[in-house]
Amino acid sequence: DGGITQSPKYLFRKEGQNVTLSCEQNLNHDAMYWYRQDPGQGLRLIYYSQIVNDFQKGDIAEGYSVSREKKESFPLTVTSAQKNPTAFYLCASSIETGLSQPQHFGDGTRLSIL
Amino acid sequence: AQSVAQPEDQVNVAEGNPLTVKCTYSVSGNPYLFWYVQYPNRGLQFLLKYITGDNLVKGSYGFEAEFNKSQTSFHLKKPSALVSDSALYFCAVRDSISSGSARQLTFGSGTQLTVLP
Repeated sequence: DGGITQSPKYLFRKEGQNVTLSCEQNLNHDAMYWYRQDPGQGLRLIYYSQIVNDFQKGDIAEGYSVSREKKESFPLTVTSAQKNPTAFYLCASSIETGLSQPQHFGDGTRLSIL
Repeated sequence: AQSVAQPEDQVNVAEGNPLTVKCTYSVSGNPYLFWYVQYPNRGLQFLLKYITGDNLVKGSYGFEAEFNKSQTSFHLKKPSALVSDSALYFCAVRDSISSGSARQLTFGSGTQLTVLP
């Protein structure tokens, strides 16, 4: 089955530590996205990538970094500069970034501070 | 700038009754509108979209949505609710004339639907 796989499902971060969230898709989609979900706030865009080796900041990129070395993979690093990292992180992909294209989502990673 | 509002945090409905989850939007150009559903500790699942054409859009699991340009609304509806429809529902919008990161989806804050047996 085609889909998006996020790992791990739960992640704990210590103070001053960087952590990396994995996102892999086998849908052959060009575009990939990272969102942060907080209770009552909907989804906010962190980074997105329209093509391999290219990515753009979203609305809340500070304290996060990404890479897109392969079409299938779009890992997100939550750096120590992100002072409030506790949230549910969702990865998504779409065929391309056209206006009419829906996004397909993984099942998320829940990040907490130890 | 594009924005979307879901005025109700919580909607309760009895099983078998019709349900409506409200969504209003604001864009400068033409809207591209989407509904997603999220079950606990899961990602979002796409339900339906409005791009152009017929104002009544049919989607997955018996859901439909009505686009109303004059009221800038895109309410989600289902004629007969099921207990299994209980979930968090998100409306999202893109503006046809936006560029860069503004071309990306803007999500509402979500509406928790509870269908009572």
